[in-house]
Formats: sequence, structure tokens, C-alpha cells
Amino acid sequence: AQRVTQPEKLLSVFKGAPVELKCNYSYSGSPELFWYVQYSRQRLQLLLRHISRESIKGFTADLNKGETSFHLKKPFAQEEDSAMYYCAPDSGGGADGLTFGKGTHLIIQP
Amino acid sequence: EAQVTQNPRYLITVTGKKLTVTCSQNMNHEYMSWYRQDPGLGLRQIYYSMNVEVTDKGDVPEGYKVSRKEKRNFPLILESPSPNQTSLYFCASSLSGGQVSYGYTFGSGTRLTVV
Repeated sequence: AQRVTQPEKLLSVFKGAPVELKCNYSYSGSPELFWYVQYSRQRLQLLLRHISRESIKGFTADLNKGETSFHLKKPFAQEEDSAMYYCAPDSGGGADGLTFGKGTHLIIQP
Repeated sequence: EAQVTQNPRYLITVTGKKLTVTCSQNMNHEYMSWYRQDPGLGLRQIYYSMNVEVTDKGDVPEGYKVSRKEKRNFPLILESPSPNQTSLYFCASSLSGGQVSYGYTFGSGTRLTVV
């Protein structure tokens, strides 16, 4: 069965500290991996696609196929990074929608 | 502006009174889907659609219906709402890329309360 796990419900770090949000997946084939972010009372937004290898708002994510992980990282957290973060593997080219992890609530303390 | 528009943003209704939440996108996207978001459970997919007249169940379809008569619209229908359908609902759409996924664009959400 396809499964995505975000082990931390809540992650609290101080401003300026490094951040790592974990995501592990169990999927057949080679899914594409996405991170979505939801700021307070706002819609979900696409943050990162692993295939594009971009750095958005200072975040990067490395796909580790051996460990089936796609952890989201940022070297220096900022207060505006406080949000809910969702990992979403996609094995169907997007056709059948997304299966999300349960999300990690990131709180950046001043 | 490219966007996914949901209406209404907020809705309070009574048990058993049929309602429809509309979703419209102006990006000519083939793929559309509905999700509900609940505390502690994250986002769960209700239904999805790959194109006009092509819809299928997601993980939590019970109590919901959808239709896709036009490419831009994908309404969510609750024939007989119950209190356990109180939730925050999101509609999303994506361009078709064959085996490549472009990621989804989300609407602003509809907060539904069923009393």
C-alpha cells in the first residue's frame, strides 16, 4: 500500500537555527515528490518539486531513493517560515490527485 | 490571474439539507480534486477527476458526490450532510503532463459546519 509518513506533528526551533522536516514514503515505482506549505488561514501552496531541484524561500529537499525519504531543509529558519508543511508523493503523473502526509506544524520562535 | 475559486468560503447548514460547494479554475487544467482537512488527520482526498465526465473516488468518498460536466468546474455535492462532515474543504487543479506531475493549485477553502 502507498504510504507517506511525516513523523513530527510539531517542530519548534529558534530563529536562525537549521530546520529539517522529515518525510518518508512507501510507494511502488518511482513517485515524484512534492512539498506543500500552508500558512495560517491560507490555501496550500506548492513549495517544492523534487524534479525541478529548485530552492524556494531558502528551502531545499533531497530525494533519497535508498531510504525512500524526501526531507525538507533550511539552514537558517525565519519567523515567516512558521506554517504547516505537507509532503506529497505522486506516482500517477498527478492524474489521481495527491496523498498527503499528516503534516508537520513548524513553529519558529524569536 | 490564474486561480482556483471556491464558493462559499463559509457555510453553516443543518443536518440533511442538500448543499453544493462550487469549484472553478481558469487555467484549462485537466485534473481536479477535492480534499477535506481535519485536525490530526491532515488532508484526505474525497474525489478526483482526470477530465470531463471522468471522476473517481478518493480515500473518503462516503457522503459526497461530484460531477465534471465542464472542464473548468468541479462541484462537490453533499446530498444529506451530517455533523461528521463538518470540515475545511479544498479544491485543487493541475495540468496534465503525461507521466510528469506539475503539482496542484489550491483554492482558498470552504469551511463547512453541519449542525
